[in-house]
Amino acid sequence: ETGVTQSPTHLIKTRGQQVTLRCSSQSGHNTVSWYQQALGQGPQFIFQYYREEENGRGNFPPRFSGLQFPNYSSELNVNALELDDSALYLCASSNRGLTDTQYFGPGTRLTVL
Amino acid sequence: GQNIDQPTEMTATEGAIVQINCTYQTSGFNGLFWYQQHAGEAPTFLSYNVLDGLEEKGRFSSFLSRSKGYSYLLLKELQMKDSASYLCAVRDHYGGSQGNLIFGKGTKLSVKP
Repeated sequence: ETGVTQSPTHLIKTRGQQVTLRCSSQSGHNTVSWYQQALGQGPQFIFQYYREEENGRGNFPPRFSGLQFPNYSSELNVNALELDDSALYLCASSNRGLTDTQYFGPGTRLTVL
Repeated sequence: GQNIDQPTEMTATEGAIVQINCTYQTSGFNGLFWYQQHAGEAPTFLSYNVLDGLEEKGRFSSFLSRSKGYSYLLLKELQMKDSASYLCAVRDHYGGSQGNLIFGKGTKLSVKP
């Protein structure tokens, strides 16, 4: 077991709504990365947080935003939901400066209707 | 641009050996990872290569050639539970950050009795 947890497991929203997804990193890890995985695709990098600051961002619009807290847990917020936002959202934690391997949580399945 | 290619699907027989290839063209390179992902679940870390050569880990081995932009994952003594998608990912280097992972679309492996 990796130790990374995410909530909720599943979520259904309607177009235009806002959503917050949560992630608790594995014990001892200080970096959190978020990925979006559409059906049949590989995960796409959204952004990474280190020391409570965004530390790299993929090709996602500003309505995707995030936070990291002092305990290294993190949130992903998506505003003005679109149908194409329906996907599995994965959080991965790692320890910058040591192994650097990213370990994934179980994901949140978001459906936008 | 960033491009990672791997076969879409492969089929193999229980007890056999299978090799899943991955070629990549990325602007930066700071290691190559293989993950296993069962349907509806999170990716699980399998292996990591940063230097050329073979890394062996039980029934799984991974090879890297940086000059050729090529890696493969070798699975020996296949078991039914190895039926899953296998994701090849390159860690990019983004400024001073740890680097995000760029994933291929995954290879869906079916193991038949």
